[in-house]
Amino acid sequence: DAGVTQSPTHLIKTRGQQVTLRCSPKSGHDTVSWYQQALGQGPQFIFQYYEEEERQRGNFPDRFSGHQFPNYSSELNVNALLLGDSALYLCASSLGALYIPYGYTFGSGTRLTVV
Amino acid sequence: DAKTTQPPSMDCAEGRAANLPCNHSTISGNEYVYWYRQIHSQGPQYIIHGLKNNETNEMASLIITEDRKSSTLILPHATLRDTAVYYCIVRVGSGNTGKLIFGQGTTLQVKP
Repeated sequence: DAGVTQSPTHLIKTRGQQVTLRCSPKSGHDTVSWYQQALGQGPQFIFQYYEEEERQRGNFPDRFSGHQFPNYSSELNVNALLLGDSALYLCASSLGALYIPYGYTFGSGTRLTVV
Repeated sequence: DAKTTQPPSMDCAEGRAANLPCNHSTISGNEYVYWYRQIHSQGPQYIIHGLKNNETNEMASLIITEDRKSSTLILPHATLRDTAVYYCIVRVGSGNTGKLIFGQGTTLQVKP
């Protein structure tokens, strides 16, 4: 049973560019959350998607946007990249209903470096 | 803002029990406590979660105080592979609006 798959694993972008990160949730999961983890810090919640809608959003600017597709996969888009956007971006999937047997399953992340 | 406080680092001898404390004094009545660990900047790995009762699974035990203001994660027989950053997390919200609020975590070093 495949877990959460994220692509690409590593990415280098130039300041001012735009980037798209992708996530396929664990089989059977319908909710996707995105987290940003700066070096040496705990992950910070960006937003969560369920039924193709953004349900919750953390304290991140509008440069960060996302999308969820009918097959539950998701994309994270970041516009006008800043050096401070360099981080590990984690995708987590879960079952959006009240039943949460094992919590959230995380992918291995995408390491984004902005130069 | 994080809702949990953990010691930044701890050591444990291989084969001994590792007891990792967590303070979550502002937790609300319907908020779950989750524990995850992260090895070498891989994705966080689920360990255990609970609401008010003590929980045990094949990886660990979770002891939650009666007032729910603190908890302890117990790894009964630590191995070198348990060296990792351990996050005590409060899950805010429920169902499809729940989110995990991470703190800084505890770096556990298991020594031979």
